Amino acid sequence: GENVEQHPSTLSVQEGDSAVIKCTYSDSASNYFPWYKQELGKRPQLIIDIRSNVGEKKDQRIAVTLNKTAKHFSLHITETQPEDSAVYFCAASLNTDKLIFGTGTRLQVFP
Amino acid sequence: KAGVTQTPRYLIKTRGQQVTLSCSPISGHRSVSWYQQTPGQGLQFLFEYFSETQRNKGNFPGRFSGRQFSNSRSEMNVSTLELGDSALYLCASSPVSGGASEQFFGPGTRLTVL
Repeated sequence: GENVEQHPSTLSVQEGDSAVIKCTYSDSASNYFPWYKQELGKRPQLIIDIRSNVGEKKDQRIAVTLNKTAKHFSLHITETQPEDSAVYFCAASLNTDKLIFGTGTRLQVFP
Repeated sequence: KAGVTQTPRYLIKTRGQQVTLSCSPISGHRSVSWYQQTPGQGLQFLFEYFSETQRNKGNFPGRFSGRQFSNSRSEMNVSTLELGDSALYLCASSPVSGGASEQFFGPGTRLTVL
């Protein structure tokens, strides 16, 4: 069945450094790839998404890249800040709201 | 616009009982999805509903069921509760039909099975 693998499971960076989280999906037909941020005790919130007809998308300090041939996509956060500390989930779907999530990455940004 | 709401927020049940969770989507959203979140399994898809029809179902046993009403509100039911059903149940709504789009999550219902 569909599967999304996410690495690393934990990531610690110094404030101001960059953070990269990588995901690999199994269903080559997947065409929508969102990233959600979940702070402790809060609900997941979309931070950026990308569709299969685009290779890269950027929104201020956050960017996502997609490699359809390799079936992987990555989240890049530059100039990290303590408020970026959270659990980040990647996901994949095919034309529906059925999201297959990765297992999450706990990002800690130390001041 | 008010966000996605879920009731109740917390629930404690014992094994063998059944439970019904409710989700009210953002006004105008007709698609509602449900997810189970646990520390060990992460976020797992349960169901997706649009216009009162179940469009997708995840790999959960038949004890898990759901429905959507004409006003887009949705409920999910878990019968014969097991200890492993303890989890945070999240629902999410989206405004677009027929294609993947941003999903807006509710605060979740924390279910504890004793």
